Amino acid sequence: GENVEQHPSTLSVQEGDSAVIKCTYSDSASNYFPWYKQELGKGPQLIIDIRSNVGEKKDQRIAVTLNKTAKHFSLHITETQPEDSAVYFCAGGDVDGQNFVFGPGTRLSVLP
Amino acid sequence: KAGVTQTPRYLIKTRGQQVTLSCSPISGHRSVSWYQQTPGQGLQFLFEYFSETQRNKGNFPGRFSGRQFSNSRSEMNVSTLELGDSALYLCASSLSGTSGNTIYFGEGSWLTVV
Repeated sequence: GENVEQHPSTLSVQEGDSAVIKCTYSDSASNYFPWYKQELGKGPQLIIDIRSNVGEKKDQRIAVTLNKTAKHFSLHITETQPEDSAVYFCAGGDVDGQNFVFGPGTRLSVLP
Repeated sequence: KAGVTQTPRYLIKTRGQQVTLSCSPISGHRSVSWYQQTPGQGLQFLFEYFSETQRNKGNFPGRFSGRQFSNSRSEMNVSTLELGDSALYLCASSLSGTSGNTIYFGEGSWLTVV
């Protein structure tokens, strides 16, 4: 089955700097890769996703890149703000349903 | 449009008891999936329901079960609770559950087993 690894587990950046979180997946059949942000005491919220037929997707300060050959994808947050502080999860999608495999998460701290 | 609603938000149970958690998906969503989140194991998939049928199942013991009703609402049940079942249980819904369908999570139900 699918296995998703995520690095780093914790990341601290200064406000205004960029943050990059990387994930690798094992199942070449996975074709959908969402990213979720989870704030304390809340459920994960989808922030951006990418499908395997696209190499890059951007939404304002957030972008995701996908390298199918290397089986890795990354989340890029530019001009970080304190409200970006949260735990971020990447996930890999099975072709047949909703049993996404999630990475272990990255705790991002944006220091003012 | 209302999001995914989970009840109860918090509950405390004793070892050996059973618990039922409820989930109302976003209106129009027919797929409901359940995840367990713990600090040590992260987010782990429990099962997914679509049109009242369990379509996918994760690697959890038979003590964990679920069902979906005709209005797409779902419940999950854990019997003979163990201390290790203490976790945040998250429900997520999507339109049809096919690959690439965005899944939306609820706020979760915090279960503490003592």
